[in-house]
Parts: sequence; C-alpha cells; structure tokens
Amino acid sequence: NAGVTQTPKFRILKIGQSMTLQCTQDMNHNYMYWYRQDPGMGLKLIYYSVGAGITDKGEVPNGYNVSRSTTEDFPLRLELAAPSQTSVYFCASTARGGGGELFFGEGSRLTVL
Amino acid sequence: GENVEQHPSTLSVQEGDSAVIKCTYSDSASNYFPWYKQELGKGPQLIIDIRSNVGEKKDQRIAVTLNKTAKHFSLHITETQPEDSAVYFCAASKGTSGTYKYIFGTGTRLKVLA
Repeated sequence: NAGVTQTPKFRILKIGQSMTLQCTQDMNHNYMYWYRQDPGMGLKLIYYSVGAGITDKGEVPNGYNVSRSTTEDFPLRLELAAPSQTSVYFCASTARGGGGELFFGEGSRLTVL
Repeated sequence: GENVEQHPSTLSVQEGDSAVIKCTYSDSASNYFPWYKQELGKGPQLIIDIRSNVGEKKDQRIAVTLNKTAKHFSLHITETQPEDSAVYFCAASKGTSGTYKYIFGTGTRLKVLA
C-alpha cells in the first residue's frame, strides 16, 4: 500500500520558472491538501480539495494553483517561482475531511534561486 | 481568522521524564484536535487525537487533554524515550461544520536526552 506519493523529492528552480509538484494517493480519499513547511513556522495550508473537480484556497494560496481531475491526483502548480516559495511541500489526504487522520507524503523540498 | 498557537518551540527532557506541549486555538467552533509527530526527513504522522465531546484520551505513554472553555489542549508524554525525539504539531479543525481545513501550530522540537 503506497499511501500518498509525492514527486519530485527535491528540485531547484530559477526565479521565474514554473513547475508542478505531483501528488497521488491510492486510498480512495476524497479530501486532499497541500501544505508548505517553513522552519519555525509550522505547516501552512495552501489549497485543499473535497473531491474531484472541487478545490478551495487555504491560508497561503498566492503564487500557486491546483487542479483535481481525478480522486487520486492533486497536483500543485507554481507559476513564476520566487525565492519566497523555497520550502518543503507536503501533500496529505483523508477519508474524513476535517475530522479524520491526515496521511502525509514524504515531502518535496523546493529551492528557488 | 483561525489560529493555533503552540508552546514551547523547543523542549529538552531527560530520558524517563515527562514532556508537556500546549496549544491554544482561536475558533470556538473547532471540534477535532489531532497531534502529529514528524521525524527527520519524513511527513507528519498522527499519534493521537481528541474530539470536543471528550476531555481526555490516553494511548499508552501518550495522553491528550482538552479544555473547551479555555480553548486549549495539551499533549502529555510520560516515561520519555530517545525515540520520542521529533517535532510535534498540534492542529485544530471544525470537521462537520463544512470547512474541512486543518490548521496547524508552529511545532515543538522535543529532544530526549539519554
């Protein structure tokens, strides 16, 4: 059972470049989330989705976009990367939105230079 | 907006001692309070959670207490062991009220000294 899989694990981007962080889960969870983790700042919610075709903004959505075309996949798009987007990104999913265990991926470390 | 404050940011204890981490939430409609443990280079993993209709929950050496009036909840780890060393996060959500978001605290780095 793979759980939540994120790719890539590491990436270096130049300022202004774009990229997509991939997230897929095999648990048939409707609820999926993207968080970023900065040192000493905890986990900040970027975007979340309550099912295929439905997404909503979290605490820090600026500079990011998401889509949810299938239950399994929830990619996070970074447009025009900026140094402020240097962070570790975590994707998570749960069967019970807001009231159940979040299953996290192992993270994607992104550096923007 | 919704906010969760967590203290302390770092905590060092001797092996065998107890550790306590405290969180305060701002939204009185919050009704689900999980705690996650994050080991180096890994994603967070749930270790215990509590719902608003319960005041305390225990699982072996780990316990969580909830004070709804004061809007705070705490994680208690007894008989700490070196493998308890990690970063711990609290979170709060409003579950069935329809927002589905989990708001996390800023984390506590726990070091258990052998």
